[in-house]
Amino acid sequence: GIQVEQSPPDLILQEGANSTLRCNFSDSVNNLQWFHQNPWGQLINLFYIPSGTKQNGRLSATTVATERYSLLYISSSQTTDSGVYFCAVEFLVFGNEKLTFGTGTRLTIIP
Amino acid sequence: DSGVTQTPKHLITATGQRVTLRCSPRSGDLSVYWYQQSLDQGLQFLIHYYNGEERAKGNILERFSAQQFPDLHSELNLSSLELGDSALYFCASSVADRGTEAFFGQGTRLTVV
Repeated sequence: GIQVEQSPPDLILQEGANSTLRCNFSDSVNNLQWFHQNPWGQLINLFYIPSGTKQNGRLSATTVATERYSLLYISSSQTTDSGVYFCAVEFLVFGNEKLTFGTGTRLTIIP
Repeated sequence: DSGVTQTPKHLITATGQRVTLRCSPRSGDLSVYWYQQSLDQGLQFLIHYYNGEERAKGNILERFSAQQFPDLHSELNLSSLELGDSALYFCASSVADRGTEAFFGQGTRLTVV
């Protein structure tokens, strides 16, 4: 069935470290987004990236649609990067006009 | 600020009651989506409206209903509330009915006591 899997489920890093978060999806996609849910519950858009590579400051993302995965890179982590990172996918299936969320990666940055 | 406005931010109500959550999409967005996030859970899709018409439905309970009005704002009605309905309810909006970036509101935190 249609699935979105994220790994690792949890990640604890020292401030200044780099990290790579992965999102695997089971079928062709129309849309892929990365979100950061901060400790206050807000969902913040990081990237809209159904294919290709984008960078925004210390964050970058790559989606290889033909191989059905996306990667989120965080460099020089800061404590404010803590929270849960979600990958959300809209599959290219008629009648499936919605974002399906992965279960998230909980990132904890230790000072 | 995503431009999506949800009210109220917090709501505490008793079991058996009915509440209405409101969402105003970003200017120019025609799609509205509703999601539920229970404690330490992922985001579960409830329903999607595009320009007033229902486009997709998730595992939305029969006690829940939604609609999108001509001015494009949307309301999610939750009735006969149970303790398990306590959750963070998000609204999102996007320009088109598919394939475009979605932006989320700050959510309504519902507590049923």
